[in-house]
Amino acid sequence: DTGVSQNPRHKITKRGQNVTFRCDPISEHNRLYWYRQTLGQGPEFLTYFQNEAQLEKSRLLSDRFSAERPKGSFSTLEIQRTEQGDSAMYLCASSLLSPAVNEQFFGPGTRLTVL
Amino acid sequence: AQSVTQLGSHVSVSEGALVLLRCNYSSSVPPYLFWYVQYPNQGLQLLLKYTSAATLVKGINGFEAEFKKSETSFHLTKPSAHMSDAAEYFCAVSAKGGSEKLVFGKGTKLTVNP
Repeated sequence: DTGVSQNPRHKITKRGQNVTFRCDPISEHNRLYWYRQTLGQGPEFLTYFQNEAQLEKSRLLSDRFSAERPKGSFSTLEIQRTEQGDSAMYLCASSLLSPAVNEQFFGPGTRLTVL
Repeated sequence: AQSVTQLGSHVSVSEGALVLLRCNYSSSVPPYLFWYVQYPNQGLQLLLKYTSAATLVKGINGFEAEFKKSETSFHLTKPSAHMSDAAEYFCAVSAKGGSEKLVFGKGTKLTVNP
């Protein structure tokens, strides 16, 4: 078990470009979350998958954002036509659906800078 | 709806002194409460969690927190600060069922002075 991994760790792009981030959760975890963290703020929920199904999306997730989790394994988060306001740390977390409390394990994050 | 308020965006203590980081929550259902720590350029690491069992919760690295329903609080404490405790700390709340997404506070940056 190597934990949650995210790639790339850093991404610098120009405004208007598309970017895609990848998250590999802990292998047996069937739940996957994306959060966004801006400077001086706590992480904010973006979206949630249970297996391959995207079950909840935040109002923060504009139509320029899309997330997928094919086959219930890794997940990708794509941002189209990036804006400077998209600059943030994008965090992925995974957990195991169980009767006990849901403990989420976080990856190191992808820091996006939009110039 | 759920929310978390962390009082004090910055807390500074001397090495060996008591650490107290404050967290108040709002929740329409019985909450689950968490404290996470974030070191620079790293992801979040779970320190401890409250799951409606014991109200005094012990976590890693000598931290503990007490759930007080009457005060809607879940303050984090450590009797004696160590230099390695310098980091940002986040309190979070979730509700059982559904996505169980975490709602975070804005964080408290802890500085430990020698």
